[in-house]
Amino acid sequence: DQQVKQNSPSLSVQEGRISILNCDYTNSMFDYFLWYKKYPAEGPTFLISISSIKDKNEDGRFTVFLNKSAKHLSLHIVPSQPGDSAVYFCAASEEGANSKLTFGKGITLSVRP
Amino acid sequence: NAGVMQNPRHLVRRRGQEARLRCSPMKGHSHVYWYRQLPEEGLKFMVYLQKENIIDESGMPKERFSAEFPKEGPSILRIQQVVRGDSAAYFCASSPSDRPGGYTFGSGTRLTVV
Repeated sequence: DQQVKQNSPSLSVQEGRISILNCDYTNSMFDYFLWYKKYPAEGPTFLISISSIKDKNEDGRFTVFLNKSAKHLSLHIVPSQPGDSAVYFCAASEEGANSKLTFGKGITLSVRP
Repeated sequence: NAGVMQNPRHLVRRRGQEARLRCSPMKGHSHVYWYRQLPEEGLKFMVYLQKENIIDESGMPKERFSAEFPKEGPSILRIQQVVRGDSAAYFCASSPSDRPGGYTFGSGTRLTVV
């Protein structure tokens, strides 16, 4: 059973425009959410996170929104840059679970120059 | 300040052989996690270790897989009698604490079983 779902396998946007990457989850015990970026042949790199007590967290061009009632979060990248082209993973952690992360399958973002 | 070092980067094993994957955490990090990524899948948690202790191995297959993080030296993920289905990318991450989000991932070991 897929507890963290990234239903769109890919997204293509024009440079300078907004990229919106979506993620849904089913486990109501998740209380911390993270986004990772991954280039081919490299390990995931942490981007941004949000606790369940918040509904928005911003860091430079990256903003994560959390809608707990809908069990949905999204990552906004504004403005998108060609260097943002990568696979983006949504991950979630359950309180008391020793920081074990449950990952989605990832979304491949392509930013066109 | 070296990051999380994993070796080898690529490992080819024949069915039935043993695979040993090594992970040296970042300096000062005492928490180590192993994840596996199968083709077209996300990363799946395998095991969480602290020095000389396995804290959570709920994601480890019941047979053939084992992990250790000795007092001295790297963490080792060991797969005995490998099968084709073990072919995957294995990522190690380290953290200075058990709070989520503190992970730093290594570049992974890509295991191919032929």
